[in-house]
Amino acid sequence: GQNIDQPTEMTATEGAIVQINCTYQTSGFNGLFWYQQHAGEAPTFLSYNVLDGLEEKGRFSSFLSRSKGYSYLLLKELQMKDSASYLCAAGWGGKLIFGQGTELSVKP
Amino acid sequence: GAVVSQHPSWVICKSGTSVKIECRSLDFQATTMFWYRQFPKQSLMLMATSNEGSKATYEQGVEKDKFLINHASLTLSTLTVTSAHPEDSSFYICSARDRASGGAYEQFFGPGTRLTVL
Repeated sequence: GQNIDQPTEMTATEGAIVQINCTYQTSGFNGLFWYQQHAGEAPTFLSYNVLDGLEEKGRFSSFLSRSKGYSYLLLKELQMKDSASYLCAAGWGGKLIFGQGTELSVKP
Repeated sequence: GAVVSQHPSWVICKSGTSVKIECRSLDFQATTMFWYRQFPKQSLMLMATSNEGSKATYEQGVEKDKFLINHASLTLSTLTVTSAHPEDSSFYICSARDRASGGAYEQFFGPGTRLTVL
C-alpha cells in the first residue's frame, strides 16, 4: 500500500514563509497532489507534481523528488486566510491516497 | 469548469434509517467517482471507487452492504447509508475524475455532506 506522512500541525506568522513536508512510498507512484481544506469544506486543488523539481504558482510552490519519495509545499507571504489544513495526496493504483493533513495556523 | 455538486449539504436522521447522498458532475462526464469519509481533525479516507455502469470497488474495512453505491450515469453517483447509526456520523465527500482527462489523476471534489445520526 501507500503510506503518506506529513506533520500534524504547524504555526507561522503572517507575512512569513512556511514549508510543509510530505513523504510517501515510491513504488507505484503516479504524481503528488496538494490540496487546501478549510474546516467544514471540501478540499481545493493547489498543485500537482509528476516530475522532479519545483512548480511555482503565485504564493504557493510545490517541490517533488521522486527518488527520495519527498515533496513539500511552500507558502510565501502568509496571510491569515491561509490558516487551513493542507493535504498531501499520492496518485497510486488509480486512486488518491491522502496523508493525515497538516493544520496550519497563521498568527498576526 | 469541473464543478461537482452534492446533495444534501447536511442531513440529520434517526438511528436505523437510511440516507441517500447524491454526487453530480455538472459540466463534465465522470467515468469514475470516489466516495470519501472524513472524521473531525482527520484526513479523507477513501471508502469506494465507483465506475459508471459497474459495481463499486470498496476499500478494505468498508461494508458494501451498509454503504450502497450506484453510478447509473456519467454524471451521477449516489451513496446510500443503510440503517445508519451514530458512529456513521461524518463528513462524506465525493469526487469525480473527468472522462476527457484520460489517465490523469486529478479529482474534482464536491462540497461535502454532513451526516448526523441521532
